[in-house]
Amino acid sequence: DQQVKQNSPSLSVQEGRISILNCDYTNSMFDYFLWYKKYPAEGPTFLISISSIKDKNEDGRFTVFLNKSAKHLSLHIVPSQPGDSAVYFCAASVGANNNDMRFGAGTRLTVKP
Amino acid sequence: DAGVTQSPTHLIKTRGQQVTLRCSPISGHKSVSWYQQVLGQGPQFIFQYYEKEERGRGNFPDRFSARQFPNYSSELNVNALLLGDSALYLCASSSNNNSPLHFGNGTRLTVT
Repeated sequence: DQQVKQNSPSLSVQEGRISILNCDYTNSMFDYFLWYKKYPAEGPTFLISISSIKDKNEDGRFTVFLNKSAKHLSLHIVPSQPGDSAVYFCAASVGANNNDMRFGAGTRLTVKP
Repeated sequence: DAGVTQSPTHLIKTRGQQVTLRCSPISGHKSVSWYQQVLGQGPQFIFQYYEKEERGRGNFPDRFSARQFPNYSSELNVNALLLGDSALYLCASSSNNNSPLHFGNGTRLTVT
C-alpha cells in the first residue's frame, strides 16, 4: 500500500529557474513530513522537514509547503542549480519519530546549465 | 566526523543462502534503522533499534532479523534468500527518536 506518492518520476528545469517537486499522501495520521535528496551511489541526505502544525518551512533555497486538507506537500527550490540534480524523496511519519517512515518512489530532478 | 558506514558495499548471494549486513552509526547516535530500497521505489522500513532494543518492525517476513550491539552498531540478517530480496539495503542512524535520519551509502545485495 503506497501511502506516499510522487507521481512525477522526473523533472527537468533550467538553471536559475524554480523547481517544484510534488508529493501526495493518503494517511491522514501522518503529521511529520521530510524531503531527502539522493545522489547516485550515496544514501539519501536529509534536506528539510515540516510538521503538520505549520504550512511552510524555509531553509535557504529550499521551501516546503504543506496543504493538509489536500494531503499534499511540495518542495520548491529557488534558484535551481546544476548541483541540485538528484533524486528527491518525500517521506512521512506519524509523529516526529523516524520509526516506520514511509517514502515516496522519488522524483529525478535534472537542472540544465 | 565519519558518517554512517555500511559493509559490504556489494554482495552476491544464491537463493536459499543467508546474508549478514553491517552498519556503524554516527558516533553518539543510539538509534539505528534499516530500510530496503527496491529499484524504482522508495526506501521501505524494516527495523528500528534504539538503545539496543527493537522499537519497530516493518512488514517483512521473519526471515529478516536484526540486532544492535552495546557500541550501537547493528547487523541485519536475512535467511533463506529469495530473488525478490535483491535490493539496496540502507542503514540510518539518528541521535534520538525525533531527529532526522542520516543514511549510509547502502549495501547492494543481488540474489541469483
